[in-house]
Amino acid sequence: AQRVTQPEKLLSVFKGAPVELKCNYSYSGSPELFWYVQYSRQRLQLLLRHISRESIKGFTADLNKGETSFHLKKPFAQEEDSAMYYCAPPPNFNKFYFGSGTKLNVKP
Amino acid sequence: GAGVSQSPSNKVTEKGKDVELRCDPISGHTALYWYRQSLGQGLEFLIYFQGNSAPDKSGLPSDRFSAERTGGSVSTLTIQRTQQEDSAVYLCASSGARDIQETQYFGPGTRLLVL
Repeated sequence: AQRVTQPEKLLSVFKGAPVELKCNYSYSGSPELFWYVQYSRQRLQLLLRHISRESIKGFTADLNKGETSFHLKKPFAQEEDSAMYYCAPPPNFNKFYFGSGTKLNVKP
Repeated sequence: GAGVSQSPSNKVTEKGKDVELRCDPISGHTALYWYRQSLGQGLEFLIYFQGNSAPDKSGLPSDRFSAERTGGSVSTLTIQRTQQEDSAVYLCASSGARDIQETQYFGPGTRLLVL
């Protein structure tokens, strides 16, 4: 199965500090990976995806095939970035497995 | 336009009762997904529809769970003889293309509490 691992359940940083949310994948084939975000009392939504190579809200994610990682990074965290972040691989045989999620808490 | 909608937003039921959860996808979206999010847990995939067809139902937790989609639009997730461990937020998502690697658009969820 195409799985991803998010090793941190909770990540706390101070406002203005760099942040990196880790995601490692463990499958072969084309790694079209996604980051989804869920802010408090809002619905889950796409943050960014590998194929787009965009920077959304200052976040970027680079695919590192050598390390099989797709870590989400932001150089200067803001309080409004506090949310739950999920890494997701592409579907495998009509099944969709999200990572377990990392809760980011940005302290003032 | 309107996003994915789900009803009811909250449901409290007694153990042993049946419940039906509804999902209205974005108009024109061919793919529809159901997930479960338990307290303190991540997202658990339940089932995926392409049109009215669900290619794989093995993600449903037990035979008390069933889902259908009619007319390529609305979907219902039915839980029979509910148990306390069924308490969770049930999320629905839809996506627009036949390529299943497309972005999923999520609804607000139905919060189910089984007493």
